[in-house]
Amino acid sequence: GNSVTQMEGPVTLSEEAFLTINCTYTATGYPSLFWYVQYPGEGLQLLLKATKADDKGSNKGFEATYRKETTSFHLEKGSVQVSDSAVYFCALSAVPIGNNRKLIWGLGTSLAVNP
Amino acid sequence: GAGVSQSPRYKVTKRGQDVALRCDPISGHVSLYWYRQALGQGPEFLTYFNYEAQQDKSGLPNDRFSAERPEGSISTLTIQRTEQRDSAMYRCASSLLATDTQYFGPGTRLTVL
Repeated sequence: GNSVTQMEGPVTLSEEAFLTINCTYTATGYPSLFWYVQYPGEGLQLLLKATKADDKGSNKGFEATYRKETTSFHLEKGSVQVSDSAVYFCALSAVPIGNNRKLIWGLGTSLAVNP
Repeated sequence: GAGVSQSPRYKVTKRGQDVALRCDPISGHVSLYWYRQALGQGPEFLTYFNYEAQQDKSGLPNDRFSAERPEGSISTLTIQRTEQRDSAMYRCASSLLATDTQYFGPGTRLTVL
């Protein structure tokens, strides 16, 4: 079946450090891939997405590239800020049955950025 | 414009009581999803609607859980005879038909004592 595996946290970094959060997936066909972020006390927000192989999603300085050959969608940011402290979720939307595009989620990775 | 709203934001109930959780999707979004998220876990799919039709309820854990969306807009997730294991964050999301970007509400934190 479809599944998402992301690196366990918590991840603690100093401000301006480089961030990588690994995400790999198992799916049939060509899923769409997502990173969602949950800031403290808030709901889930879409951070970025990619819908086909070699696509790069980017937003707020974060990037992730859809790698079909390694079934990966790693999240990166060159220089993190304290305001990036949050929980990050990798998710996939498998080939839809009908119009059902339910999301399959990783467990989430907590990031804490210290000044 | 207004995003997805959910109410109540927090619900504390005693074991055995029924609860109803409400989701108001973004205007014009015909697809609506319910997820449940246990502490320290990712969300898990519960059920899905297109307009008023419940297209997939394969994620509902047992027959104490039900959902409806009678007019194709607001949806209600009902849990009967709540148990402590039902304690979780319940999340609702909506999307345009046949698109894969879902927009989430703030969630309802349910605690069953």
